[in-house]
Amino acid sequence: QQQVKQSPQSLIVQKGGISIINCAYENTAFDYFPWYQQFPGKGPALLIAIRPDVSEKKEGRFTISFNKSAKQFSLHIMDSQPGDSATYFCAATLPEAAGNKLTFGGGTRVLVKP
Amino acid sequence: DTGVSQDPRHKITKRGQNVTFRCDPISEHNRLYWYRQTLGQGPEFLTYFQNEAQLEKSRLLSDRFSAERPKGSFSTLEIQRTEQGDSAMYLCASSWGVETQYFGPGTRLLVL
Repeated sequence: QQQVKQSPQSLIVQKGGISIINCAYENTAFDYFPWYQQFPGKGPALLIAIRPDVSEKKEGRFTISFNKSAKQFSLHIMDSQPGDSATYFCAATLPEAAGNKLTFGGGTRVLVKP
Repeated sequence: DTGVSQDPRHKITKRGQNVTFRCDPISEHNRLYWYRQTLGQGPEFLTYFQNEAQLEKSRLLSDRFSAERPKGSFSTLEIQRTEQGDSAMYLCASSWGVETQYFGPGTRLLVL
C-alpha cells in the first residue's frame, strides 16, 4: 500500500519557470514531511522540510505548502535553473516512538530546459 | 569528507551467490538506516539501528536479508542466495536521533 502518492512522475520546465510537485498522504500520524533531491548516481539529499503545524515554509527558491485537512503538500521551485534538473522525492515520517523511518513518494523527474 | 560512505559502489553477482555491503555512517550519528531503491521508485525502508541495537527489521524483504551493526559504528547488509529480483540500489542513511537523515551514495546491485 503506497502511503505517500506523488505527482507528476515527470515534468519539463523552461529556465526561470516554476516547477510544482504534489504529494498526498494517508496516515494522519505522520508528523514530519521532508523533500529530498537526488542526482543520478547519488543518494538523496534533504532539500527542505515542514511539520504539520505550519502551512508554508520557504528557503531560497524552494517553498513547501502544506494542507493538513486535505492531507496534501507540495513543493514549488521558483526561477528554475538547469542545475535543478534532478529527481525529487517527497517523504513522511512517523513520530519518534515509531522509529522515524522515511516513507517516500514515487519521485518526480524534473528537467529544466535552458 | 565526513559524509556517509558505502562500499562497494557497484556489485555484479550471479544468482544464488551471497553478497555483503558495508556502510560507514557520519561518525557522531547514533542511528543508521538501510533502504532499497528500485529503478524509477522512491527508497523503501528496510531496517534501522540505534547504536548497536536493531530496533526494527520487520521490513527486511525476506529471511535471506540480514543486517548487523556490531559496535554501533559501521553496518553490514547481507543478502544470501541472491535472486534477480534483488537487483536494486541499496542506500544507507545516518542521523543523530530523529534529526535529518543523511544518505550515502548507495550500492548498486545487479544479479545475473
